[in-house]
Amino acid sequence: GQNIDQPTEMTATEGAIVQINCTYQTSGFNGLFWYQQHAGEAPTFLSYNVLDGLEEKGRFSSFLSRSKGYSYLLLKELQMKDSASYLCAATFMNTGFQKLVFGTGTRLLVSP
Amino acid sequence: DTAVSQTPKYLVTQMGNDKSIKCEQNLGHDTMYWYKQDSKKFLKIMFSYNNKELIINETVPNRFSPKSPDKAHLNLHINSLELGDSAVYFCASTLGLAGTYEQYFGPGTRLTVT
Repeated sequence: GQNIDQPTEMTATEGAIVQINCTYQTSGFNGLFWYQQHAGEAPTFLSYNVLDGLEEKGRFSSFLSRSKGYSYLLLKELQMKDSASYLCAATFMNTGFQKLVFGTGTRLLVSP
Repeated sequence: DTAVSQTPKYLVTQMGNDKSIKCEQNLGHDTMYWYKQDSKKFLKIMFSYNNKELIINETVPNRFSPKSPDKAHLNLHINSLELGDSAVYFCASTLGLAGTYEQYFGPGTRLTVT
């Protein structure tokens, strides 16, 4: 299988830091994406990791450990507008083509 | 200057009907997708087309038939609609294949089957 696991829900306060974890099965794995989805809207791209390590992009950073099948998304200086679902998605080889498989998403609620 | 557009945005219909959803991208991308997002917000791939050719078909019932007249368009036709088809359907596109390129999603079509 190509299961991707992430927590269902997290809460945090404005200005804080939150880390959203994601684990995946490593067989056939290629790369790891994070998407943000506000309620009633389409997912939008946040980050892509293919090599081990941390990728920083403003207030958001994403980390990948290929050997452990583990990634996290780190959000700093949280703002109210960061309340959204965060989708971890991994690409796997599928009959010669790569397929993107999404986790169920982590709903983040940022409170004042 | 919409990148990926879908029509209609909302679709309410009765069981047993046949309906179509259209998708167009003006990004010059080679690959297009249909995803289904159910009430639990789980986003699951249904189909993928690369340069008008079907490359991924995720064991979707054959009541669902995608059609790609050209690489900028991917339509989804659904026959004999069932209650369980109620969901939000997202179209997406990428430059090249899915592995290393971000996906651009359309705004979604909320389908309600009564």
